[in-house]
Amino acid sequence: SAVISQKPSRDICQRGTSLTIQCQVDSQVTMMFWYRQQPGQSLTLIATANQGSEATYESGFVIDKFPISRPNLTFSTLTVSNMSPEDSSIYLCSAQGAGETQYFGPGTRLLVL
Amino acid sequence: GQQVMQIPQYQHVQEGEDFTTYCNSSTTLSNIQWYKQRPGGHPVFLIQLVKSGEVKKQKRLTFQFGEAKKNSSLHITATQTTDVGTYFCAGPSGGYQKVTFGTGTKLQVIP
Repeated sequence: SAVISQKPSRDICQRGTSLTIQCQVDSQVTMMFWYRQQPGQSLTLIATANQGSEATYESGFVIDKFPISRPNLTFSTLTVSNMSPEDSSIYLCSAQGAGETQYFGPGTRLLVL
Repeated sequence: GQQVMQIPQYQHVQEGEDFTTYCNSSTTLSNIQWYKQRPGGHPVFLIQLVKSGEVKKQKRLTFQFGEAKKNSSLHITATQTTDVGTYFCAGPSGGYQKVTFGTGTKLQVIP
């Protein structure tokens, strides 16, 4: 299994600003993913972070709002751009293990005022 | 698109009682995964089932994959307060090796 760290763990931001979340994996992994989770809800996939190419976004999520970088096989960033209160959520990164299983980071709790 | 539903949405049990959550997919799955998320925590991988009709056990937890590979269940025997959390099933959802998470079942154990 992979050990994943995320930072920041939480932040309070003003609307209109941007926040970049970092995700570090302790080993090289092919697939990394970014999710959003509203309190009491399930996980919604934002995008797949591809190493060496553009991220693949799910329906309802766009690159201009959630730019993603994946410079190598152990690191990825997600930026939440031009934030509004509706972006308040928990953002989770994950790394794929064997057989499409996933290992999650501790999450970033974002509050936008 | 693929939908993965879980019932019940919430369950309160007295400590020592059994608990079962059911997972149903709108499509046939190559495998089913189960995760546990403690309050304030992140999802933690529990187990993966691959074969039709497969049953796996982890101590007091029993996981089953349906014969048609469209449903699954998680049964906890004699619940403990440490079992509190939300249980998610998840199944592959097409390209890029991504998965779709179920709606989740939140378990509360009353001591």
